[in-house]
Amino acid sequence: DQQVKQNSPSLSVQEGRISILNCDYTNSMFDYFLWYKKYPAEGPTFLISISSIKDKNEDGRFTVFLNKSAKHLSLHIVPSQPGDSAVYFCAASGGDMRFGAGTRLTVKP
Amino acid sequence: NAGVTQTPKFQVLKTGQSMTLQCAQDMNHEYMSWYRQDPGMGLRLIHYSVGAGITDQGEVPNGYNVSRSTTEDFPLRLLSAAPSQTSVYFCASSYSASGADTQYFGPGTRLTVL
Repeated sequence: DQQVKQNSPSLSVQEGRISILNCDYTNSMFDYFLWYKKYPAEGPTFLISISSIKDKNEDGRFTVFLNKSAKHLSLHIVPSQPGDSAVYFCAASGGDMRFGAGTRLTVKP
Repeated sequence: NAGVTQTPKFQVLKTGQSMTLQCAQDMNHEYMSWYRQDPGMGLRLIHYSVGAGITDQGEVPNGYNVSRSTTEDFPLRLLSAAPSQTSVYFCASSYSASGADTQYFGPGTRLTVL
């Protein structure tokens, strides 16, 4: 069963606008949530994380929001840049780590 | 620091052949893991290790073996390759299994089983 779901396989936004990537999970025992970014032919790289005891974490242009009651998290990128074009994976940790299927973000100049 | 290294980058096998995917890290991380990435499925955990001599199964362990004789190395063995094992394989390491510790991924091995 997929415990972490990213329902949008792709997202396209204009440079300078906001990108919002969404993720849902089913297991209430997860205690950490993470976003990874992946370029073609490379391994995923860590982007930002949030503990289950927080509802928001910011790092520069990237902000992750966690809504525990809805079992939902989102990644906001503001402003979006062409270099942000990549596949973004949502992940949740609670003993081992489970990943979503990924969302391919395209930022158009 | 080389980080996490994986060899080979590409491999083509025939059904029934065996092979070992190599993974090494030079960050003295205790936790290491293997994932496979398939279209529409994201990254799925195959096996993981919390330290030398200790391994455990992840979501999709069937058809794969692992061992952890040293902190640095975590090889993944395919005993009898099947077309369903065609995938991209990633090795990762982190200080611990906690989600608070960043996992570092290798560049991946693209495996095709004919």
